[in-house]
Amino acid sequence: NAGVMQNPRHLVRRRGQEARLRCSPMKGHSHVYWYRQLPEEGLKFMVYLQKENIIDESGMPKERFSAEFPKEGPSILRIQQVVRGDSAAYFCASSQTATTGTQYFGPGTRLLVL
Amino acid sequence: QQQVKQSPQSLIVQKGGISIINCAYENTAFDYFPWYQQFPGKGPALLIAIRPDVSEKKEGRFTISFNKSAKQFSLHIMDSQPGDSATYFCAAIDSGNTPLVFGKGTRLSVIA
Repeated sequence: NAGVMQNPRHLVRRRGQEARLRCSPMKGHSHVYWYRQLPEEGLKFMVYLQKENIIDESGMPKERFSAEFPKEGPSILRIQQVVRGDSAAYFCASSQTATTGTQYFGPGTRLLVL
Repeated sequence: QQQVKQSPQSLIVQKGGISIINCAYENTAFDYFPWYQQFPGKGPALLIAIRPDVSEKKEGRFTISFNKSAKQFSLHIMDSQPGDSATYFCAAIDSGNTPLVFGKGTRLSVIA
């Protein structure tokens, strides 16, 4: 049973470009969460999605960031017009239900903005 | 505020010793408290978790102690090994109502 998969594992972008991060949840999981981790910091919640719905986006910046979890395919976190401050590790997690709190994390995508 | 405060920031323990990491929270609605272990370059992995209806949970060398009245919980790693060297994060959630809130992490180094 494959775990949470994320790709790419590393992504380098120049300022102003777009970054697309993909996440495939564990089999049977329909709840996806995105987190951002800065060096020497904990994980900060960004957005929570179920299939085709954004449930909670309270941690996601209002501009340049968007997320989706289509009926078919992986969840996508999109960052438009990246800036150096977007450089971080982005982790996706999935869970079977929303109420247990048991979330399983992927290996992350490390974004570097030059 | 939905914060979880974690201490210490870093910890050095001799092989065979006990590692203790502490966390405190404010939101009394939190009802699930997981601990995650993260190795460099990897994603966090769920280690052990507790609900507030019990005061202690043990899994192998890892034990969570939970003090509901003090709003504190801690992770104890018995017989610490060099392979335990990692960053540990405590977290808390009000199931179904809030996202997971993480502490800032403790970098544990177990030396021989």
